[in-house]
Amino acid sequence: EAQVTQNPRYLITVTGKKLTVTCSQNMNHEYMSWYRQDPGLGLRQIYYSMNVEVTDKGDVPEGYKVSRKEKRNFPLILESPSPNQTSLYFCAIGPGLAGGVSTDTQYFGPGTRLTVL
Amino acid sequence: GNSVTQMEGPVTLSEEAFLTINCTYTATGYPSLFWYVQYPGEGLQLLLKATKADDKGSNKGFEATYRKETTSFHLEKGSVQVSDSAVYFCALGTSYGKLTFGQGTILTVHP
Repeated sequence: EAQVTQNPRYLITVTGKKLTVTCSQNMNHEYMSWYRQDPGLGLRQIYYSMNVEVTDKGDVPEGYKVSRKEKRNFPLILESPSPNQTSLYFCAIGPGLAGGVSTDTQYFGPGTRLTVL
Repeated sequence: GNSVTQMEGPVTLSEEAFLTINCTYTATGYPSLFWYVQYPGEGLQLLLKATKADDKGSNKGFEATYRKETTSFHLEKGSVQVSDSAVYFCALGTSYGKLTFGQGTILTVHP
């Protein structure tokens, strides 16, 4: 079964203090992405990665960075968080290839609730 | 560009009532369509999907039919339970990997 883990699950921080939210998967998926969820807006894609060392912007990338140095991990970095980045963040894996097998399903992590004061 | 529109919410029903949550989409090409469910305090789980026109996805008593002529993918359940209370998201997938989500519909079912 696909498993996506995120840490931390909850975080309260202050404006300008750099933070990293980690994401790890056990399915060997090539494709990973980050979304943020805000009331009335659904989920919006922040960044995605099609494979190791291949990342690109989604719909709302401003204020975020990512890296993909190894296939299983895809951390989200906020260099200087601001209050408008208070949100619920989800890491997702797929669709696409996982260990040579194609799937059209996207699997989500449990979410990280971030509050920036 | 691609977009998904869900019915205005929230939706409140009594147990055993019939549920419909409307979803319409705009997309180029031939998207796959999905319904995801988010239970309180949890991440999103795939509820059902359909990959081509006239396909019907079904799971846990929920159904949705991919209607290309009306660009719709409405979610239905004949008899809801309290445990169905959650947020439901309609989504479409076209290009590699990215899903476009609707705004979500909060469903509350009372005993």
